[in-house]
Amino acid sequence: QVQLQESGPGLMKPSQTLSLSCTVSGGSVSRTGYYWSWIRQHPGKGLEWIGYISYSGNTYYNPSLKSRLTISMDTSKNQFSLKLTSVTASDTAVYCCAIRMTAKYYFDDWGRGTLVTVSS
Amino acid sequence: QSALTQPASVSGSPGQSITISCTGTSDDVGDYNYVSWYQQHPDKAPKLMIYDVSNRPSGVSIRFSGSKSGNTASLTISGLQAEDEADYYCSSYASGTTLWVFGGGTKLTV
Repeated sequence: QVQLQESGPGLMKPSQTLSLSCTVSGGSVSRTGYYWSWIRQHPGKGLEWIGYISYSGNTYYNPSLKSRLTISMDTSKNQFSLKLTSVTASDTAVYCCAIRMTAKYYFDDWGRGTLVTVSS
Repeated sequence: QSALTQPASVSGSPGQSITISCTGTSDDVGDYNYVSWYQQHPDKAPKLMIYDVSNRPSGVSIRFSGSKSGNTASLTISGLQAEDEADYYCSSYASGTTLWVFGGGTKLTV
């Protein structure tokens, strides 16, 4: 079973760039068939799928965030990361990383998530 | 507003059964048999409970079952136990560009 652990800044100011990392244990981020996703949960609301990066480095983003979003991978650290530019209060959420396998349409394992608060 | 609609809360007594609904559209729940359900206890990672509408991952209790009719999927928990008290989220693969949509979550009180 793959384990995922998010890390991030906690508190940010509007207009800054959010950078989050997800450290993977129990599997390699470059293992064939793995797709690494970011999902967020706004306070008191449901979940929102943000985007993914595949084992080969291909990315796909939620169109609502695409213009501000970059997801990347660092195989040397066995991590994948999220960068979200020009954050606003509406980006305040718990950000989770999750794994999906090729040809599977569900998320097998998740991290606990990290709270990011955007406030001036 | 979430793409999929779930009741905000449900409750039941130990031993009873409850059902949580998840209503989408013909672009997601109605068009694909790719509905999944996740259980989340406070400060814990979400856990996959049901995938592809009605399949249980290894290790998930047979008390958990899923089904779908039209644009609405359902999660049924039978023989409620105190440990089932958690938030439950549904998800579906979706046509178009968003790919995955989720429900707003349902808080189950036992």
